[in-house]
Formats: sequence, C-alpha cells, structure tokens
Amino acid sequence: AQSVTQPDIHITVSEGASLELRCNYSYGATPYLFWYVQSPGQGLQLLLKYFSGDTLVQGIKGFEAEFKRSQSSFNLRKPSVHWSDAAEYFCAVGPYAGNMLTFGGGTRLMVKP
Amino acid sequence: KAGVTQTPRYLIKTRGQQVTLSCSPISGHRSVSWYQQTPGQGLQFLFEYFSETQRNKGNFPGRFSGRQFSNSRSEMNVSTLELGDSALYLCASSSTSGRNVYNEQFFGPGTRLTVL
Repeated sequence: AQSVTQPDIHITVSEGASLELRCNYSYGATPYLFWYVQSPGQGLQLLLKYFSGDTLVQGIKGFEAEFKRSQSSFNLRKPSVHWSDAAEYFCAVGPYAGNMLTFGGGTRLMVKP
Repeated sequence: KAGVTQTPRYLIKTRGQQVTLSCSPISGHRSVSWYQQTPGQGLQFLFEYFSETQRNKGNFPGRFSGRQFSNSRSEMNVSTLELGDSALYLCASSSTSGRNVYNEQFFGPGTRLTVL
C-alpha cells in the first residue's frame, strides 16, 4: 500500500532563511508526487508536481522539489522564506485507482520576523 | 472560471443527526473526490466519483455515502453522526478520471463540520 511520511510536524525558520521540508514515500509503481499548501481556513493549493523527467521540479511561489528515487524522497525547498509562506504543507503520492491521493501528515511552517 | 465551491462552509450538528454536504466542481470537470481532514488522522480519502459513478472508496464506515449528479455536482452524506466525525471535509475536482490521464485536482475551501 502507498504511504507518505513527513517527519517534521513543525518547523520554524527566520524570514529570509532557506527552507527544506522532508517527504518520504512508499508506492508500488512509478509515483506521481505532489506538494500542496494549506493556509488557515483554506483548501489545498498545488505548489508543484512530479510525473517524470527532470527530477528537479519548479513550482509556484518560488518553491522547488527534488525527486530522489533511491531515497524514496521528494523534499520541498525554498531559498528564501517570506512571512507569507507560513502555512501547512502536505506531500502526496498518487494517483491510485483513479484520482485518489495519499497524503502525508503535514508540516506546519512558522516564519519568524 | 469559478473554482470549486462547497456549501455550507460551516455546520454544527449533534450526535445522531445526519448531514449532507455539497460540492460544485469547476465547470467541465467530471471527477469529484472527497477527503476528511482531522488533527488526529490527517487527510484521508473518502470516495471519488466520475460521471456519476463511484470509482473508489476509502476505508470509512457505511455511514459515509455520496453521490454525483448529471451536472457533476456531488453530495456526501453522513448519517448517525458521531463526535469523531468533526472534521474539515474537502472536495476536489478534476477534468479526468486519473486512470489513463491525470490532470491536476483543484480543491475547494472545505466544509467545517462540528458534532456536539
């Protein structure tokens, strides 16, 4: 069965500092991988996705992620964090049997001024 | 193009009652998926509909059901509500079924259900 692990429940970084959020997955086939962001009271917004090809993918809001098959990882990075990046971030794998996505537990990002 | 809309946004019910939540997908999208989000269990898949057919169902009791109409709008129903059903219920729509071609799913803002 597919699963996603986000080892860090909370992360606090200073504004302007770099950011890396970790994601490890388990999936029986070639995975499609996603990072979503959720602001308080909002739904999920897709930041970026990996389907195939170049293992370094660029997303919106200056985020990027690198797919490493050997490590079953898909870590999200941003070189310089802005206060508006404070939110909860979810890694997901799928689709499975249709559009079903399996999500990690999420990482809550706090940004210090 | 309007996004995914969910109604109502907030709902308070008492144990034993039933509730119906509605999701209107993006125009032209035929796939609607539902997820339950709780602090303890995170985001869990409930079910998915494509062209009025349930394509996939998550590991939830039979009290959770859904349907999709010919205009692709979807409803989910929870009967005999329990305290543990308190959650944010999210729906997502996509233009494809995800089986041969996968296109991005767009999420709605969710319905916050509180069971007292």
